[in-house]
Parts: sequence; C-alpha cells; structure tokens
Amino acid sequence: EVQLVESGGGLVKPGGSLRLSCAASGFTFSSYSMNWVRQAPGKGLEWVSSISSSSSYIYYADSVKGRFTISRDNAKNSLYLQMNSLRAEDTAVYYCARDLEVKIVPNSYNWFDPWGQGTLVTVSS
Amino acid sequence: DIQMTQSPSSLSASVGDRVTITCRASQSISSYLNWYQQKPGKAPKLLIYAASSLQSGVPSRFSGSGSGTDFTLTISSLQPEDFATYYCQQSYSPPMYTFGQGTKLEIK
Repeated sequence: EVQLVESGGGLVKPGGSLRLSCAASGFTFSSYSMNWVRQAPGKGLEWVSSISSSSSYIYYADSVKGRFTISRDNAKNSLYLQMNSLRAEDTAVYYCARDLEVKIVPNSYNWFDPWGQGTLVTVSS
Repeated sequence: DIQMTQSPSSLSASVGDRVTITCRASQSISSYLNWYQQKPGKAPKLLIYAASSLQSGVPSRFSGSGSGTDFTLTISSLQPEDFATYYCQQSYSPPMYTFGQGTKLEIK
C-alpha cells in the first residue's frame, strides 16, 4: 500500500524551530518529487515547498522562503521540513504529498497523490 | 503567479441533486487542472486530474470539464458521503502549484 506518514508537529513559541518528517512506503520514493502543503485552521490548502527526486531542484512559497528548508533522504525513504523563525501565521496542519507525473500524450500532467494524514503545528506563546 | 478562484465558496444541496462547482484560472492553463475532495479532519483525496480524467476508484457520478481558464466539477446525483469541501489545483506551472480557496458542500 502506498503510504505517507508525517510526524514532528507540536506546540512551539514564536521565533522557534521545528522539524517535520514524512515517512514513505509502498513505492520507490527516490523516483518521485515530493511536496509539503499546509492548511491553517478553517482555511484552504497552501502549497509550501517542493523537492525533486534527487534533491536537485527545490522550490518554496514566498511565505516561507528563507525560513523553511525542505530536504529528503532517499536511503531512508523520508522527507523533511525544517521550519525556523516560526510565526503565528505558520500555525497549520502540514501534509506531505507525492508529486505524480504522468504522460498523457502529447503532454505530461502532475497531481498530488497520495497525501499523508497531516501533522499539526501550533505557533503560540 | 496563477490565481485560482472557485465559486461558489459554499453550497447547500440535497441528496440526489446535481451539483456544479466552478474554478477559474487567472490565465490559460490548458487542461492542467485537478480536483480534490476533503472531508473534515482528513487529507485531500484526488478526484479528477487533467481536467476531465477520473481517478481510479472514484465514482462515475463525479465528472470534470473545461480547458483554458474555466473548469467545472459536476456531481450528477449527490450521495451522503459527497458532503465535503472541494478544491481545484492548477498544475500548469509546476512546482508552484496553487489551489482554489475551496467550495464547502453542505446538506440542505
């Protein structure tokens, strides 16, 4: 079964740091780009960061650039998100999601599947 | 950046109703549009990819259409398990994917 399981969330003070992990199983993790998506309480989905299969390409949303660092360890089938200088507005459930790219001739299409169950990060004093 | 706008933001309907949700992109995105369903406390689930292709295992009452800037998700006959929030997502400019703000489908 293809599965993603996040961990590492919790309560942290403003300005603090937290490291999220996402453990992958049931597929060849090293073949896929991966993403972090977050959802503030009662709000919609916000893409946060993406990393290519070999870590060659890394992207961030403007809202987290310079504060968050995405990384992966293909030997451990794991994805990470190091979050520094946390703010109240970073409070959210953080999901990891596999980036599936499929060729439907003549184009290639991408979507997120599967998603993990999410881990809650609360930034509050 | 490509902005995605869904309408309506919320919708009340009854079991058996036909429902349509609209998603508009700020620029043409061809068919690079996905739809997800999210139930409270759960992760989003893929329903439709490439604007109109049904994900395996998703009931055929769900369908997607559109290209360019205007897209629709249609549920032909609402079932109790369909009451959820629905999100569109553009994949025209990976990896800077953006989502619509969501449409909450509630029971009338």
